[in-house]
Amino acid sequence: GESVGLHLPTLSVQEGDNSIINCAYSNSASDYFIWYKQESGKGPQFIIDIRSNMDKRQGQRVTVLLNKTVKHLSLQIAATQPGDSAVYFCAENMGEGHQFYFGTGTSLTVIP
Amino acid sequence: EADIYQTPRYLVIGTGKKITLECSQTMGHDKMYWYQQDPGMELHLIHYSYGVNSTEKGDLSSESTVSRIRTEHFPLTLESARPSHTSQYLCASSGPGQAQSSYNSPLHFGNGTRLTVT
Repeated sequence: GESVGLHLPTLSVQEGDNSIINCAYSNSASDYFIWYKQESGKGPQFIIDIRSNMDKRQGQRVTVLLNKTVKHLSLQIAATQPGDSAVYFCAENMGEGHQFYFGTGTSLTVIP
Repeated sequence: EADIYQTPRYLVIGTGKKITLECSQTMGHDKMYWYQQDPGMELHLIHYSYGVNSTEKGDLSSESTVSRIRTEHFPLTLESARPSHTSQYLCASSGPGQAQSSYNSPLHFGNGTRLTVT
């Protein structure tokens, strides 16, 4: 399978600070990327996605940045809250008919 | 919010038993998937289906089988469970991609079945 890796396995941030979670992908043909949040005992929950024709996309308190030159994806969470504590996964896809590949998650802990 | 349901949520069974993990979605999605996930680890695709009567094996070798007789239902069966099958099994679905586009659409996951084989 393809390699989708995260730079840091764990991340601790103070409540109210901004969080940045990074992801490296190896397949330059990937054109669709998703960030998922997984809380304990639950399935992954969609946060935000981005297609390869964009380099930035914003949601509510979250921003995804895509750097195709270095095959890097990041998730920025503004004003991190205790409810943001979870494991975050990035996933890549090469388009319709292709599978998603997930990397090892990053565990985010928010310190009150 | 996606409507995809998995039962049971937890299952503890003995070696050699036959089990079926249920997965249903009410969104009319054509694509459905089964992933296996060990605690804190990445997801590995074990089966997928692009429509009724279509099933394929994923990248991770699995002794399980699946069926897709109805659009909304995608059960996974283990004929003879073993301790090595102990894991979390996640079902997901996705809708059709955008018309005239090569883009896929996001996966919507159920909350998983945590299986323990003793």
